[in-house]
Amino acid sequence: SQQGEEDPQALSIQEGENATMNCSYKTSINNLQWYRQNSGRGLVHLILIRSNEREKHSGRLRVTLDTSKKSSSLLITASRAADTASYFCATRSPNSGGSNYKLTFGKGTLLTVNP
Amino acid sequence: GAGVSQSPSNKVTEKGKDVELRCDPISGHTALYWYRQRLGQGLEFLIYFQGNSAPDKSGLPSDRFSAERTGESVSTLTIQRTQQEDSAVYLCASSWNGQGPLQYFGPGTRLTVT
Repeated sequence: SQQGEEDPQALSIQEGENATMNCSYKTSINNLQWYRQNSGRGLVHLILIRSNEREKHSGRLRVTLDTSKKSSSLLITASRAADTASYFCATRSPNSGGSNYKLTFGKGTLLTVNP
Repeated sequence: GAGVSQSPSNKVTEKGKDVELRCDPISGHTALYWYRQRLGQGLEFLIYFQGNSAPDKSGLPSDRFSAERTGESVSTLTIQRTQQEDSAVYLCASSWNGQGPLQYFGPGTRLTVT
């Protein structure tokens, strides 16, 4: 079943602008991760935020997590054309029958950064 | 060190044929995962291997799908009697162990069933 749901489904911005993508999930989590995918191929891990954290930064990336609302946001500041990709959130749930290794992915946000 | 590799990168097959997809995980990673990604969709979990434990096959969509892993190395995903709805990108990932937070993904195999 789909755990993470990103919105918007697609986002088009100009270089230099900030891009914000949101993710909502349904069940309790251990952590939430954001991945990037270029051209429908391999995923690259961007950032992980644990359930007891509220905000995390990595370079131009800022992730927030609100466990009361079961939502997260990914902010990319000063976007570049090279940031054009699909972005996915993935959640990892607490141990449930020993299956806490599973990541559940949303459908992703397609970000286009126009030069 | 080398990342996760998958082969072939692209596979076109006729409906009804069997296909084998291969994944070479990062050396030393005991956990290996297969995912399927249909066009415009997120990743669907298929199967999980951890060391010598019995694999979690709960995500395999039908009995036409099977996967094997030799020890803590190569894995093959086999799809028998392929159908057009099997067309997708099949992604493999590995991690240090099932508890490790990060999964490292291969480039995927794009399967097209005609």
